[in-house]
Amino acid sequence: QKEVEQDPGPLSVPEGAIVSLNCTYSNSAFQYFMWYRQYSRKGPELLMYTYSSGNKEDGRFTAQVDKSSKYISLFIRDSQPSDSATYLCAMSHFYDYKLSFGAGTTVTVRA
Amino acid sequence: EADIYQTPRYLVIGTGKKITLECSQTMGHDKMYWYQQDPGMELHLIHYSYGVNSTEKGDLSSESTVSRIRTEHFPLTLESARPSHTSQYLCASSESGGPQETQYFGPGTRLLVL
Repeated sequence: QKEVEQDPGPLSVPEGAIVSLNCTYSNSAFQYFMWYRQYSRKGPELLMYTYSSGNKEDGRFTAQVDKSSKYISLFIRDSQPSDSATYLCAMSHFYDYKLSFGAGTTVTVRA
Repeated sequence: EADIYQTPRYLVIGTGKKITLECSQTMGHDKMYWYQQDPGMELHLIHYSYGVNSTEKGDLSSESTVSRIRTEHFPLTLESARPSHTSQYLCASSESGGPQETQYFGPGTRLLVL
């Protein structure tokens, strides 16, 4: 069983829609939860990170963590064509910070 | 913006050739990583280094080798390339003690072995 499972997609949404991305994990030792965005032909870039259960907002992006259910989500409000990318969830232990990644969800926002 | 560079960006090479993928960062980060990324698959850690003269194998077995002689430089070498090595290779770096030790990624090297 994979440590991190990510909804595979792909997702295609009209501009302005809300995008919902999800990952589940099995390892209770994960303490830090991150979302990376990867544009085509580029390396991943950190979008958001959270430590505790609950919500964290940054502009149009909201990251949600539910440690009791081992479930994390990323919501993109008012999606724009520039949000078209692959989104990777990642998580790490508190003791070595090595990252475990989901397989990524490719999102296309149609103008 | 992260200053981490990878060369070449694309490489097409024949079976049996020796190749070195370069990775350099100008942030003074002590930790560096190599990942392998295939389409639709997770990034897999193949090598990491926590400082000069320190290298460890990652979770995914790889026939490649790495060296860390200088803080800023972390090259990956394949002594004899095979078609099974075709993949995208991503280099990353992070600073010990930073917020959750954020990893910054380079643009990647796409390798095709014929």
